[in-house]
Amino acid sequence: DAKTTQPNSMESNEEEPVHLPCNHSTISGTDYIHWYRQLPSQGPEYVIHGLTSNVNNRMASLAIAEDRKSSTLILHRATLRDAAVYYCIRNSGNTPLVFGKGTRLSVIA
Amino acid sequence: DAGVIQSPRHEVTEMGQEVTLRCKPISGHNSLFWYRQTMMRGLELLIYFNNNVPIDDSGMPEDRFSAKMPNASFSTLKIQPSEPRDSAVYFCASSETGPMNTEAFFGQGTRLTVV
Repeated sequence: DAKTTQPNSMESNEEEPVHLPCNHSTISGTDYIHWYRQLPSQGPEYVIHGLTSNVNNRMASLAIAEDRKSSTLILHRATLRDAAVYYCIRNSGNTPLVFGKGTRLSVIA
Repeated sequence: DAGVIQSPRHEVTEMGQEVTLRCKPISGHNSLFWYRQTMMRGLELLIYFNNNVPIDDSGMPEDRFSAKMPNASFSTLKIQPSEPRDSAVYFCASSETGPMNTEAFFGQGTRLTVV
């Protein structure tokens, strides 16, 4: 049970920002929110993670709602290489990541 | 570091044969995970180790599956005997502590086909 809800698919134009939503309404106070992505024919790769505050790194930004029941992964300028399945994962304690179905992002040139 | 290294990248075997998948985690990482990915079931956790000790193998589908981690730099996943429904991509991942707030690194996977 991934315990998060994401749209099955999204589409974006190249060079446009992309906002990938994730619902985790039953999140507990100690759960982190992780985002991973899986490019075609590759293993998943880490994108970003956070607990309460918004987070930025070279790949993306993570905006976490004040009540922590939802979050949004923001790709500031989508490129063709960003086409992948994006997984939003809530994780509590020292336990492994549990992947759901994720959101398949298509980027149109 | 070269990242998590899995071998072989591709394996085709006949039903009933033994299959051994190998994983070399990133040096210094103390958690190792085996996942399986199929179109139908997505990414499933099979087993994970912490400091070379199996912590949770509840995801291992059957007794035909076994995993070992004899030392910090090597792990194997064995299927004996293999069946066509075992066909999948098997991923190994490692992380520095647990995955709660640290990054997990995945290998390129082993694509297993059982005919």
